[in-house]
Amino acid sequence: GQQLNQSPQSMFIQEGEDVSMNCTSSSIFNTWLWYKQDPGEGPVLLIALYKAGELTSNGRLTAQFGITRKDSFLNISASIPSDVGIYFCAGNSGNTPLVFGKGTRLSVIA
Amino acid sequence: TAGITQAPTSQILAAGRSMTLRCTQDMRHNAMYWYRQDLGLGLRLIHYSNTAGTTGKGEVPDGYSVSRANTDDFPLTLASAVPSQTSVYFCASSVNTNQPQHFGDGTRLSIL
Repeated sequence: GQQLNQSPQSMFIQEGEDVSMNCTSSSIFNTWLWYKQDPGEGPVLLIALYKAGELTSNGRLTAQFGITRKDSFLNISASIPSDVGIYFCAGNSGNTPLVFGKGTRLSVIA
Repeated sequence: TAGITQAPTSQILAAGRSMTLRCTQDMRHNAMYWYRQDLGLGLRLIHYSNTAGTTGKGEVPDGYSVSRANTDDFPLTLASAVPSQTSVYFCASSVNTNQPQHFGDGTRLSIL
């Protein structure tokens, strides 16, 4: 089946630093999504990407759909304490359910 | 807007007992999903439903069953719970299978 490799597994950064995380797939995807999960809550959608090469921003967050359609990255600029959480990439092709990466746990040191 | 409601929020259950986790959505989404989240393993799909009346198996379906009698409800049943089913369970829904999913706040289940 489809597999997603998300990296890094965890990150510790200073407040104000930029953050980058990425996902690679074993197969071509038509959709890439990025979610954030706060403690005790369900994941919340941050950015959705539907076209190869697409670059989309949501405030300080920027995500790109890779040209090969097998990868995506998420950047967070000027991190703040509330950026703490687990970030998940997800994707699919056709009408199959989403496949999720294992998550990147972000810690921000004030 | 309520979105997706999961119940109970948490539960402690004796091994061998049965349990049904409830999930209701008010967005008229066609597709619904059940995931379990375990440390280091991310979100793993248990079962899903593309539309009312249909269900499908995900990555880890064994020991779980689902039904989709109507659009709004998608209960997950553990017929005979085992300790390895201790996890946080998330229900999600989407307009269709290839659209972004919206998640509930989860049910924390401990099997002793």
